[in-house]
Amino acid sequence: AQSVTQLGSHVSVSEGALVLLRCNYSSSVPPYLFWYVQYPNQGLQLLLKYTSAATLVKGINGFEAEFKKSETSFHLTKPSAHMSDAAEYFCAVSAVGSGGSNYKLTFGKGTLLTVNP
Amino acid sequence: GAGVSQSPRYKVAKRGQDVALRCDPISGHVSLFWYQQALGQGPEFLTYFQNEAQLDKSGLPSDRFFAERPEGSVSTLKIQRTQQEDSAVYLCASSFGTLGWGAQETQYFGPGTRLLVL
Repeated sequence: AQSVTQLGSHVSVSEGALVLLRCNYSSSVPPYLFWYVQYPNQGLQLLLKYTSAATLVKGINGFEAEFKKSETSFHLTKPSAHMSDAAEYFCAVSAVGSGGSNYKLTFGKGTLLTVNP
Repeated sequence: GAGVSQSPRYKVAKRGQDVALRCDPISGHVSLFWYQQALGQGPEFLTYFQNEAQLDKSGLPSDRFFAERPEGSVSTLKIQRTQQEDSAVYLCASSFGTLGWGAQETQYFGPGTRLLVL
């Protein structure tokens, strides 16, 4: 079974500072990995996804994540935080390959990002 | 174009009451998913439809939970005899993918229905 661990339920940064949100996965084979963002009272929006192509994945709003198989990690970064980045961020994993239950996303518990002026 | 919509956005139910939550997926999307998000937690998978067929209902917590998508578009999640532990946000998502989808299809999420059972 796959699982995702997000280290730190709450991360606080200053505007303009580096954002680093941590995600580690557990899977018998390298899975597909996703980062979603959730603004208050809104649904989840996909930031980026890793699907076994390039290990450095660039997403929307200046975010990127690097898949590191040796560390079973998929940390999310952004060089310079903006006030509008304040939201909750979820890392998710799904199985690889057609058929089976590869459609099923398993989410971490989320990391709330606050950005201080 | 319109995204995934859900109604009602908020629902307060008395314990024991039946509720029905509606999801309107993006037009043309074959796959539809329901997730449950408890307070302070990430979403958890409930069930998956491909068109009108419910291919996976392994995440439904009990037989009080029932989902349907009779015409392959709108879906309803029904909870019978609601309990306090059913209080959560219920998220619906849809994707274009068909059978054999390799999990590369993006799931588009609705805003959710926040259910509070008193």
